[in-house]
Amino acid sequence: EIVLTQSPGTLSLSPGERATLSCRASQSVSSNYLAWFQQKPGQAPSLLIYGASSRASGIPDRFSGSGSGTAFTLTISRLEPEDFAVYYCQQYGSSPLTFGQGTRLEIK
Amino acid sequence: QVQLVQSGAEVKKPGSSVKVSCKASGGPFSSYAISWVRQAPGQGLEWMGGIIPTFGKADYAQKFQGRVTITADESTSTAYMELISLRSDDTAVYYCAREALAVGLEYWGQGTLVTVSS
Repeated sequence: EIVLTQSPGTLSLSPGERATLSCRASQSVSSNYLAWFQQKPGQAPSLLIYGASSRASGIPDRFSGSGSGTAFTLTISRLEPEDFAVYYCQQYGSSPLTFGQGTRLEIK
Repeated sequence: QVQLVQSGAEVKKPGSSVKVSCKASGGPFSSYAISWVRQAPGQGLEWMGGIIPTFGKADYAQKFQGRVTITADESTSTAYMELISLRSDDTAVYYCAREALAVGLEYWGQGTLVTVSS
């Protein structure tokens, strides 16, 4: 099983700032099948990034993903008020599918 | 637009079982994997297992082996997740999600809260 470790656990930033979230895998993610999700309270997760760097349909270009192998990053270039939420990385290259523990992005 | 609509909230006694449904519409059903993911209160996301309806064979996380059964009915475009021998720590929101090849869990249901309490 691939263990995903996200850092930091909580990130406190202000609107307009840049956010950088990290996800490290215990072994290489097959085909870089690494996704990022955003989850707001009371809502289902929403897919932001798939294949490590491809934006899902309708996702603004301030969200970008990068990385390969065991190290991945989600960057939000300029934070909007609606971006403050919990973010999860997830690998879907091998079974079992696994999620990171999440990064909470909060308003400073 | 693909939509996944799940069955309503459930309250169950410890030791009982629950079966949650997930009806798909707006797109093909049989060739796309459906996964089940749960989230305990205030906790993260946990994959339980999945199924490709046209193949019919489910894949389960080891943690849930023997307690969970995932099935799919192609005639109604509905997937099901049954969890038996419920415990209080099974209290969670259970989500279904449709997986597209190379894209991952693209579409999600609204979630079903299952509360296990005596």
